Amino acid sequence: DVKVTQSSRYLVKRTGEKVFLECVQDMDHENMFWYRQDPGLGLRLIYFSYDVKMKEKGDIPEGYSVSREKKERFSLILESASTNQTSMYLCASSTGLETQYFGPGTRLLVL
Amino acid sequence: ELKVEQNPLFLSMQEGKNYTIYCNYSTTSDRLYWYRQDPGKSLESLFVLLSNGAVKQEGRLMASLDTKARLSTLHITAAVHDLSATYFCAVDISGGSNYKLTFGKGTLLTVNP
Repeated sequence: DVKVTQSSRYLVKRTGEKVFLECVQDMDHENMFWYRQDPGLGLRLIYFSYDVKMKEKGDIPEGYSVSREKKERFSLILESASTNQTSMYLCASSTGLETQYFGPGTRLLVL
Repeated sequence: ELKVEQNPLFLSMQEGKNYTIYCNYSTTSDRLYWYRQDPGKSLESLFVLLSNGAVKQEGRLMASLDTKARLSTLHITAAVHDLSATYFCAVDISGGSNYKLTFGKGTLLTVNP
């Protein structure tokens, strides 16, 4: 079975802090994605990566950056957390036309 | 810009009844995915539809894709309480270049006894 893990299920941070969200997949997938999910807005793509060290902006990249130094790991970075970044963050991975496999999610609260 | 619209957004139905969730999208694509999300949980893949006329079935759920109409349907037959969840459709218009998906807002399904 494909396994996508995220470093934290719940996280509480203060405004202005630098926040790292880590995602690891164990199926050698080329593609990895970061989404945020907010009530009434569905899933919105923040960044994605289709290869090591390659990244592309999604629909809402402002305030975020990413890093993919190894194929299995994709990190989302909030350079200076703000309250409007309080959300559920979901990581996913895929290969080819297969479905995306999602991690359990990280619920981030920025105070 | 690709728009993916699901109807209805909220659906309350009785056990044993049939219903259909619709997913319309605005740009040509022949790749569509359905996911299920239980409260507080992540997304679980249900169906992958990769060509016009594709039909997939699993238990009481059946999904189909009409690429000419830019429409996918998720049909629920004889609903049971365990099907209560939020259902998302997602569309890939990358043409196989990066497999980026655009999601609908989701349909919250509640099945009442």
